[in-house]
Amino acid sequence: DQQVKQNSPSLSVQEGRISILNCDYTNSMFDYFLWYKKYPAEGPTFLISISSIKDKNEDGRFTVFLNKSAKHLSLHIVPSQPGDSAVYFCAAEWVSSNTGKLIFGQGTTLQVKP
Amino acid sequence: NAGVTQTPKFRILKIGQSMTLQCTQDMNHNYMYWYRQDPGMGLKLIYYSVGAGITDKGEVPNGYNVSRSTTEDFPLRLELAAPSQTSVYFCASSYSSLVWEQETQYFGPGTRLLVL
Repeated sequence: DQQVKQNSPSLSVQEGRISILNCDYTNSMFDYFLWYKKYPAEGPTFLISISSIKDKNEDGRFTVFLNKSAKHLSLHIVPSQPGDSAVYFCAAEWVSSNTGKLIFGQGTTLQVKP
Repeated sequence: NAGVTQTPKFRILKIGQSMTLQCTQDMNHNYMYWYRQDPGMGLKLIYYSVGAGITDKGEVPNGYNVSRSTTEDFPLRLELAAPSQTSVYFCASSYSSLVWEQETQYFGPGTRLLVL
């Protein structure tokens, strides 16, 4: 039972354009969502997060949107740069569990072409 | 400040062998986690710990054991290696459970394990 799904395994965009990565979840108990970025042979690194009381969070070129009614979140990268080429994972947490456990999606490989 | 370190980086095991994957963090984090990542899949939680002496199972604990005798160390033990345990293993830590944009999990570089 995949509680967090990233249905697009890969995405290719031109440098300077917008990248939109999508994520869907099924568990309505999730109340905190994160995006991680992963380069080959490295561990994931935190990118941006959003709590369920918000619908948007912005950090520089990165913006995460949350649509709770649709159980959907998306990551927008504007403008995209070649250095953004990586695997992006969305993750969800039920904060009240007080365990810090994250449920990850399968990941989307982003390629930004110069 | 080294963050989260993992050893070894790569290991080949024969079926039935045992080994311990080491994980150490120097950030005085209470919470530590072990994940595995299979090709084309997301990270699956194996075990986690909310403090020294306290561990609990994650999504995929079978075939693994952990211990947490100190705040800094969280080793993962494979007793009887099987081909299904071929994967990349990541250790992570956080100060607490994630609280409203104030915290995140920090990951080590991973251990690539091949069981033949």
